[in-house]
Amino acid sequence: QKEVEQDPGPLSVPEGAIVSLNCTYSNSAFQYFMWYRQYSRKGPELLMYTYSSGNKEDGRFTAQVDKSSKYISLFIRDSQPSDSATYLCAMSASGSRLTFGEGTQLTVNP
Amino acid sequence: DTAVSQTPKYLVTQMGNDKSIKCEQNLGHDTMYWYKQDSKKFLKIMFSYNNKELIINETVPNRFSPKSPDKAHLNLHINSLELGDSAVYFCASSQGWGKDYEKLFFGSGTQLSVL
Repeated sequence: QKEVEQDPGPLSVPEGAIVSLNCTYSNSAFQYFMWYRQYSRKGPELLMYTYSSGNKEDGRFTAQVDKSSKYISLFIRDSQPSDSATYLCAMSASGSRLTFGEGTQLTVNP
Repeated sequence: DTAVSQTPKYLVTQMGNDKSIKCEQNLGHDTMYWYKQDSKKFLKIMFSYNNKELIINETVPNRFSPKSPDKAHLNLHINSLELGDSAVYFCASSQGWGKDYEKLFFGSGTQLSVL
């Protein structure tokens, strides 16, 4: 069983939709939770960073962490075609390497 | 001004050849990494160096040998290339262990195709 599970999609939504991306994990030691966005033929870029449980908002993006359920989410409001990318969740315990999910491919249709 | 740059962007080669990928970062970071991304987009760490010292060495065939001449450079040499080595290889950097090391900055990747 993988430490981090992420539905690879693909996910296709119309412009303006609210997008929900999720990951589950099994390692209760994970404390740092990230979402990276990867455009086609580019390297991943850090989108959201959260420590421990709670919510974090940045513009149209909201990251949620529920450590009791070992579940993290990324919400994208008013999605735009420019949001079309692969979204990778990543997490780590203190002082340890990152573990990535396999990414969800998102397409936002105009 | 590219933060993490790696060359070449594309590498097409025959089985059995030896090839190298170079990486440089101008962010002043202490830690650099090599990741492998397979066709399913799964990113897996291969190596990590902190101030030129190897700190992570995953279960990778010893045909893969990283080298860090200084903390701004991390190269990857691959001997006797095999078909299964075909993937995208990403270089990344972060500030360093204990200093937001989870916040990685990635290069654009090297698409390696072994024929």
